[in-house]
Amino acid sequence: AQTVTQSQPEMSVQEAETVTLSCTYDTSENNYYLFWYKQPPSRQMILVIRQEAYKQQNATENRFSVNFQKAAKSFSLKISDSQLGDTAMYFCAFAGGTSYGKLTFGQGTILTVHP
Amino acid sequence: KAGVTQTPRYLIKTRGQQVTLSCSPISGHRSVSWYQQTPGQGLQFLFEYFSETQRNKGNFPGRFSGRQFSNSRSEMNVSTLELGDSALYLCASSLDATGVGEKLFFGSGTQLSVL
Repeated sequence: AQTVTQSQPEMSVQEAETVTLSCTYDTSENNYYLFWYKQPPSRQMILVIRQEAYKQQNATENRFSVNFQKAAKSFSLKISDSQLGDTAMYFCAFAGGTSYGKLTFGQGTILTVHP
Repeated sequence: KAGVTQTPRYLIKTRGQQVTLSCSPISGHRSVSWYQQTPGQGLQFLFEYFSETQRNKGNFPGRFSGRQFSNSRSEMNVSTLELGDSALYLCASSLDATGVGEKLFFGSGTQLSVL
């Protein structure tokens, strides 16, 4: 079974600064995908970024980038130029094997961006 | 293009009753997944449907069931409600071009309270 661990229950950052959220995972599979989702107070889960494990290049989406360390099973999210709208709960998630539609989520990190 | 639509947004039921939640996926999306979110257990996968067939199932009792219709709309049903079933129920859809690791697009959820 896969597990996803987010060791930071809460983080805070000043507007325009950079923050990194940590995530580690455990799996015996070779082919898998990793995700970061954000859940603002509206409760809707929004995809931030996706990383395919067979790709060595780290995924980026505008101000969001990941540091994917496959051997260490680490998948951190860096948010640059933080904005007030980035305030949300962030979830790291894993999908692999034949897990159709199934994401295994971490416990989440509450990120607060201060003006 | 309209997003994933879940109805109703809020629901209050009493123990022993049953409830049906509805999910309309993004147009063209053929896979629908369901998740339960609680403060204690976090986000947990319930089941996934594709072309009216359940392809994957999480570790929930048989009181939790679902189905998918030919237009990809999905419903989930919980029978004999228990207090512990109080949760936010999230539905997600995907194109399912490859089956695993697809980007999931979530609805805003149905908040179920069991009294």
